[in-house]
Amino acid sequence: DVKVTQSSRYLVKRTGEKVFLECVQDMDHENMFWYRQDPGLGLRLIYFSYDVKMKEKGDIPEGYSVSREKKERFSLILESASTNQTSMYLCASSYRTGGGTDTQYFGPGTRLTVL
Amino acid sequence: AQTVTQSQPEMSVQEAETVTLSCTYDTSESDYYLFWYKQPPSRQMILVIRQEAYKQQNATENRFSVNFQKAAKSFSLKISDSQLGDAAMYFCAYKEYGNKLVFGAGTILRVKS
Repeated sequence: DVKVTQSSRYLVKRTGEKVFLECVQDMDHENMFWYRQDPGLGLRLIYFSYDVKMKEKGDIPEGYSVSREKKERFSLILESASTNQTSMYLCASSYRTGGGTDTQYFGPGTRLTVL
Repeated sequence: AQTVTQSQPEMSVQEAETVTLSCTYDTSESDYYLFWYKQPPSRQMILVIRQEAYKQQNATENRFSVNFQKAAKSFSLKISDSQLGDAAMYFCAYKEYGNKLVFGAGTILRVKS
């Protein structure tokens, strides 16, 4: 079974703090993704990575950065957390064929609250 | 940009009954893929079913089936013999050849016993 794990289920941070969200997958997937999930908006792509040290902006990258130093690990960084970044963050991974058979597998999510 | 619309924020179904969740999408492409994902209250999102646009036959996975109407750009999910474990948020998603999924806003499905 594919396993995608995220470092925390719940996180509470203060405005201005630097926040790290970690994601690890065990399926040797090339692609990894960070999404943000908000009620009424579905999932929106923040960043994705198709290889080690490679990254591409998604639809809402402002206020976020990412790091992928190892194939299995993809980190989302909030350089200076703000209250409007309070949300559910989901990590996913997949193979890189680009076709429809490369299912994205999701982690359990991190509920981040910024006070 | 492609958009995915789920017009039903919430749906309810009686256990053992059938329910249909709606999804429409906007694209100018002819080749693409469509997905339904399920997110139970525990929050781990899982793939329910997928459809390739070039296939005329509607996809089926056990109690889950889709009604894919390419010309109408409609992709609905039918759940037959609903079970309590089907209660979840359901997301419709669209993908062209490439890596990015575009998700709808989701539909909360409640199952009554």
